Amino acid sequence: QLQLQESGPGLVKPSETLSLTCTVSGGSIGSSSYFWGWIRQPPGKGLEWIGNIYYSGSPYYNPSLKSRVTISIDTSKNQFSLKLTSVTAADTAVYYCARDEVASGTTDYWGQGTLVTVSS
Amino acid sequence: SYDLTQPPSVSVSPGQTARITCSADALPKQYAYWYQQKPGQAPVVVIYKDSERPSGIPERFSGSSSGTTVTLTISGVQAEDEADYYCQSADSSGTYRVFGGGTKLTVL
Repeated sequence: QLQLQESGPGLVKPSETLSLTCTVSGGSIGSSSYFWGWIRQPPGKGLEWIGNIYYSGSPYYNPSLKSRVTISIDTSKNQFSLKLTSVTAADTAVYYCARDEVASGTTDYWGQGTLVTVSS
Repeated sequence: SYDLTQPPSVSVSPGQTARITCSADALPKQYAYWYQQKPGQAPVVVIYKDSERPSGIPERFSGSSSGTTVTLTISGVQAEDEADYYCQSADSSGTYRVFGGGTKLTVL
């Protein structure tokens, strides 16, 4: 059974960089059948797509976040990562890593989510 | 920016039919997906490619599209269907994904 697990600091100071890693187990991140992505959800609010990346390393980003976001992939470690620079309180959210199936376009597996709070 | 518009809330009694709509300019070119999210849980896909139902999702969930609007229909709503529902699609170029604002389904 595929599992995704987010890891990283739960508290980040304003203006600093948020860094999260998603470790995938039970399957290979190097498959051509999937994208690997990040979605976030501010407390009590809706879902926001951040971006995703193909195993070959081609990333796609939400235009509203593109200037601050980097998603990278490490197939040797079966991990992919998110970096979000110059964070503010508006970036406080539960961050989910997830798998997108190419054939169906479905986000079919999600991590449990990790709350990141931006505060001094 | 590209937006998907959903009603904030829908309320139905058990056994009735719930319909949740999602509209945007680019929908005729891009497929829509529907996700169910219960409190404290990650979302789960209930409809993909406008009207396809994943294995394990009850038959009472169905999807349809007409013009610039897609609709999630839940027939014979059960108490366990109470959740937030999000539509998701992509911009007209298919470059990036976007979620609707979400609809809270209340089962009275």
